Amino acid sequence: DADVTQTPRNRITKTGKRIMLECSQTKGHDRMYWYRQDPGLGLRLIYYSFDVKDINKGEISDGYSVSRQAQAKFSLSLESAIPNQTALYFCATSDAYEQYFGPGTRLTVT
Amino acid sequence: GESVGLHLPTLSVQEGDNSIINCAYSNSASDYFIWYKQESGKGPQFIIDIRSNMDKRQGQRVTVLLNKTVKHLSLQIAATQPGDSAVYFCAVTHTGTASKLTFGTGTRLQVTL
Repeated sequence: DADVTQTPRNRITKTGKRIMLECSQTKGHDRMYWYRQDPGLGLRLIYYSFDVKDINKGEISDGYSVSRQAQAKFSLSLESAIPNQTALYFCATSDAYEQYFGPGTRLTVT
Repeated sequence: GESVGLHLPTLSVQEGDNSIINCAYSNSASDYFIWYKQESGKGPQFIIDIRSNMDKRQGQRVTVLLNKTVKHLSLQIAATQPGDSAVYFCAVTHTGTASKLTFGTGTRLQVTL
């Protein structure tokens, strides 16, 4: 969905490196989310934010941090990447319960 | 908490046939349900939703059925087309839970010609 963009789309990094994934949205939504997707597992929530001053941990927040720089921007950081953080990462936005997803970032940690 | 499961990881149907994808949830307090479609290389896209005060809702070629008694919902796709090939997820929430969705693991629909 072009209304939600993610950068980069693909990234290969080494163990121990810091990496930031960025998400921008033009839908004007207050709520933004970060998920990871692994084969055979559903989308799992990492962090979510209901506005610039409201950040909440999801079910798998360990090893991740986030920053809500503006209503339209929500970034996810891996302070020290490890191989089991290799996954597909999705950003999403919503104004209620239906969530709109970005195209995803494929992250590989070697 | 909520857990969501899908009955089949893969479903293969012939073009033109109807497809039925199932989903089960655990929390009887869940009251809002969404089906998403995820094509290869893309993020999930909204297909259809249903609230717990309904047991059926229809869209274009899609129907969602909700059975709250057994905590089960299904997505029916009529006259399945090759473009329907994708992974389908159900997502469930209780509208008192700050809009957090719990996702199922997905069913891959393969459409054969």
